Amino acid sequence: AQSVTQLDSHVSVSEGTPVLLRCNYSSSYSPSLFWYVQHPNKGLQLLLKYTSAATLVKGINGFEAEFKKSETSFHLTKPSAHMSDAAEYFCVVSDDYTGRRALTFGSGTRLQVQP
Amino acid sequence: DGGITQSPKYLFRKEGQNVTLSCEQNLNHDAMYWYRQDPGQGLRLIYYSQIVNDFQKGDIAEGYSVSREKKESFPLTVTSAQKNPTAFYLCASSIGYTTGAADTQYFGPGTRLTVL
Repeated sequence: AQSVTQLDSHVSVSEGTPVLLRCNYSSSYSPSLFWYVQHPNKGLQLLLKYTSAATLVKGINGFEAEFKKSETSFHLTKPSAHMSDAAEYFCVVSDDYTGRRALTFGSGTRLQVQP
Repeated sequence: DGGITQSPKYLFRKEGQNVTLSCEQNLNHDAMYWYRQDPGQGLRLIYYSQIVNDFQKGDIAEGYSVSREKKESFPLTVTSAQKNPTAFYLCASSIGYTTGAADTQYFGPGTRLTVL
């Protein structure tokens, strides 16, 4: 069975400072991992995706994430936060071998950006 | 523009009524999904369909029903049997299982259902 744990429910940073959103996963097989962002009352937008290619994945809006198999982690980072980054972020795992091809979501991390 | 549309954006239902949420995509995707989102929680899978005329239950299918008569459409009916239907409902689609790798799922804007 696959699962994902987002270690912080809320993160608050100042504009211009680095962002770190932490995610640990559990999977019986080689997983695919995603980060999605959701602004209030909106659908989800894909930030980036890992599928066993390069372990450092670059996404949109300056975000990137590093897959670390030994630590079963997939943390999301950004060097400098912008006010528009304030949103909810979801770490997601997909086990390609289940046949179900559905996603398992973490509970989300709400990012606040202070001026 | 290609994408996924959901309607209505807001929906109010009286107890005991069935309601149907619409989801349409013009991305030519084979697979479609319905998720439910509650405050402070991630998304939970209700139903999914990998191909036309076929669908499977997800983790929380009780009180819901779906159909997949057309590739572009995957409507979700919330029945009176669903004990706590007030939530934000998100539809998604992906290319499908033929790619051999985890598909990227693309999400619609969501429907917020409130039971009065």
